[in-house]
Amino acid sequence: RKEVEQDPGPFNVPEGATVAFNCTYSNSASQSFFWYRQDCRKEPKLLMSVYSSGNEDGRFTAQLNRASQYISLLIRDSKLSDSATYLCVVKTDRGFQKLVFGTGTRLLVSP
Amino acid sequence: SAVISQKPSRDICQRGTSLTIQCQVDSQVTMMFWYRQQPGQSLTLIATANQGSEATYESGFVIDKFPISRPNLTFSTLTVSNMSPEDSSIYLCSVYDSYNEQFFGPGTRLTVL
Repeated sequence: RKEVEQDPGPFNVPEGATVAFNCTYSNSASQSFFWYRQDCRKEPKLLMSVYSSGNEDGRFTAQLNRASQYISLLIRDSKLSDSATYLCVVKTDRGFQKLVFGTGTRLLVSP
Repeated sequence: SAVISQKPSRDICQRGTSLTIQCQVDSQVTMMFWYRQQPGQSLTLIATANQGSEATYESGFVIDKFPISRPNLTFSTLTVSNMSPEDSSIYLCSVYDSYNEQFFGPGTRLTVL
């Protein structure tokens, strides 16, 4: 079983739609959680951290359920520029803090 | 945020040769990380490079295949040795900034024929 699992998609949505991505992780000792965005042929960039109480950044809302080991990302009012791959990332303590990446969920927003 | 540059940005190499990838950071950092992203896959950590000590390799990666140098706090190299087509991948350098956020270099796209 992969440490971090995501639905690979692609999710095809029209502009203005609301879309949600889910992620599960297997290591209950995981300490920190993130969503990264990766555009085609580019490096991953941090989109937002995920906090236990849930957090929002503009059109983006992240949720964490530690009991279920489940992370989500909600994007409201999708824009064409949101088209990218969204990587669920978990930080674990392996003597040093290591990032473990999911395989990513691809989002395509169409006009 | 940290600014990271990598050289080369891409290369096409013959089987059996080696390629050294350079990573330069605009600030001093304790740890530098080398990742691989194979086609259609997510990122996998190869090793962690600390200045003044040997790199720490993840399971499945060995020093003979991926030797790493870390001569100072702003620079590191990763060598992909005795390459085969299975080594075709994007290789990314990464660091934590002062806010403990992890940033990635633009990557080196390697194709092995």
